[in-house]
Amino acid sequence: EADIYQTPRYLVIGTGKKITLECSQTMGHDKMYWYQQDPGMELHLIHYSYGVNSTEKGDLSSESTVSRIRTEHFPLTLESARPSHTSQYLCASSESRGPDTEAFFGQGTRLTVV
Amino acid sequence: GENVEQHPSTLSVQEGDSAVIKCTYSDSASNYFPWYKQELGKRPQLIIDIRSNVGEKKDQRIAVTLNKTAKHFSLHITETQPEDSAVYFCAASMGSNYQLIWGAGTKLIIKP
Repeated sequence: EADIYQTPRYLVIGTGKKITLECSQTMGHDKMYWYQQDPGMELHLIHYSYGVNSTEKGDLSSESTVSRIRTEHFPLTLESARPSHTSQYLCASSESRGPDTEAFFGQGTRLTVV
Repeated sequence: GENVEQHPSTLSVQEGDSAVIKCTYSDSASNYFPWYKQELGKRPQLIIDIRSNVGEKKDQRIAVTLNKTAKHFSLHITETQPEDSAVYFCAASMGSNYQLIWGAGTKLIIKP
């Protein structure tokens, strides 16, 4: 079934650890996004990509990096996790054919840094 | 800069009453305005959208209106039900890459 998948769903790690949050979509979408969201709060854009080998930083600087080597895969890496990174991370994707394309979200990764 | 303002941040209505959430946007060239619903613990999902060549769109109990001159659009929910309780986000497509710029969200509470 065409969808967007995130792993892990929940993660508890120690301060200073390096982690990678996985995101994959099977819809063939060119555009992919990472958002940080505290529960029920505003969506903050962290990174986005409009295609393979294309990545841009969003408004929120979270000391993270992304890569887009394959169309379907858009992992997010935190080089050194801090308690301030505790949040939910949502991956999304959409088609690139024009302005009126629906964004599909993954189920999210809830990260806790202790 | 590009931004979308959304009001109110929290809205509490009696079950059966109507709810209205309003958004204003900065880029007069924007031409696509979706609304997403995020239930507790779930992912945001598109519930209705409107394009700039239309002033109003309706889907059962929900409707969206657009005023391009004033650069604002609104979500209307009639005959509210408990399952309408959620956080609602508006967005506007802006820029040459049609980036979605999001409002801050409205928490809608339906009182029994």
